Amino acid sequence: TQLLEQSPQFLSIQEGENLTVYCNSSSVFSSLQWYRQEPGEGPVLLVTVVTGGEVKKLKRLTFQFGDARKDSSLHITAAQPGDTGLYLCAGMNRDDKIIFGKGTRLHILP
Amino acid sequence: DVKVTQSSRYLVKRTGEKVFLECVQDMDHENMFWYRQDPGLGLRLIYFSYDVKMKEKGDIPEGYSVSREKKERFSLILESASTNQTSMYLCASSLALGQGVYTGELFFGEGSRLTVL
Repeated sequence: TQLLEQSPQFLSIQEGENLTVYCNSSSVFSSLQWYRQEPGEGPVLLVTVVTGGEVKKLKRLTFQFGDARKDSSLHITAAQPGDTGLYLCAGMNRDDKIIFGKGTRLHILP
Repeated sequence: DVKVTQSSRYLVKRTGEKVFLECVQDMDHENMFWYRQDPGLGLRLIYFSYDVKMKEKGDIPEGYSVSREKKERFSLILESASTNQTSMYLCASSLALGQGVYTGELFFGEGSRLTVL
């Protein structure tokens, strides 16, 4: 069974700090998505990465896909309270099946 | 603006009742999905559909059925609700192979929180 392990499960930091969350697997994915979900809402797509080593930036968020396309990271610079939420990674395997991680719950303290 | 709309944000039902959860998308997507989300378990796929009148079982289909009579609409049915079906239900849609570059991006609705008493 393919798994995507997200770490840490929970993270609580002060506004202005930097942080990195991780999404790891022993399997190769043809693409990987990051979503953010706020309480009581559905996940919202942030980014898709498809090429090994790819780096994408979305304002203060930097997403990286591992060279071997087995892992990914999300780095947030100068975290803001509006970054609070559940961050989910999801990978598409070679059978076109979507595998979700269980998420990292991030809380930014003002 | 692209949109996936779920008919009910919050529902409270009694054990044994029949429950319909409706989902409509306006993006002309071929693929539609139903997930449930529970603390500690993440998102689990219940059913999906790659075309009208077509359905496939996901990882946890027991106790559920689906209907896809029109391309834009995908309904989830709980024939006889049970307390262990209390959950957040999420509908999603995506492009299909042949509709463009398929990367697995999902577009979610706002969710339907179901409580079964």
